[in-house]
Amino acid sequence: AQSVAQPEDQVNVAEGNPLTVKCTYSVSGNPYLFWYVQYPNRGLQFLLKYITGDNLVKGSYGFEAEFNKSQTSFHLKKPSALVSDSALYFCAVRDSRGGGYQKVTFGTGTKLQVIP
Amino acid sequence: GAGVSQSPRYKVAKRGQDVALRCDPISGHVSLFWYQQALGQGPEFLTYFQNEAQLDKSGLPSDRFFAERPEGSVSTLKIQRTQQEDSAVYLCASSPPGQGNTGELFFGEGSRLTVL
Repeated sequence: AQSVAQPEDQVNVAEGNPLTVKCTYSVSGNPYLFWYVQYPNRGLQFLLKYITGDNLVKGSYGFEAEFNKSQTSFHLKKPSALVSDSALYFCAVRDSRGGGYQKVTFGTGTKLQVIP
Repeated sequence: GAGVSQSPRYKVAKRGQDVALRCDPISGHVSLFWYQQALGQGPEFLTYFQNEAQLDKSGLPSDRFFAERPEGSVSTLKIQRTQQEDSAVYLCASSPPGQGNTGELFFGEGSRLTVL
């Protein structure tokens, strides 16, 4: 079975400082990895994905994530945090094997609070 | 519409009542997913449609839950004889052809169900 762990329920960071939101995963085959953001009372919004290739993936709003196969991690990063980045962040994974459809599994989420 | 539309946004039901939640995906999106998001948790997969075919319903928690997409566009999630543990936000997501597994999911804003 595939799973995602987001070890921090909340991350606090000062505006202008770099931020990291951690994610580790478990999957039998090679992973497809995703980050989504959720603002209050809104649906999830796609940020970025890793399918194959370069381990550093760049996404929306200046976010990036680094895939580390040996550590089974896919941490979300941003060089300089904005107050408007405050939201709930979800990491997700699916197994690349088998082609066709396979379901995406989400983590429990990390609340990011950027302090002015 | 421009995005995934869900209705109602909020639903209060008495225990034992039946409810129906509607999802109108982005036009042309073949794949449609339903997720359940309990308070403070990540989205949990319920079911997946490709056009009108329900290819995966392994996440439906009981036989009280039923989903359909008869014409391959609008989908309805029905919950019979609601219980308090059914209280959650029900998220619908769609994805364009060829992207259902490796691309981004487009989420609606969700239907918040409260069972009293």
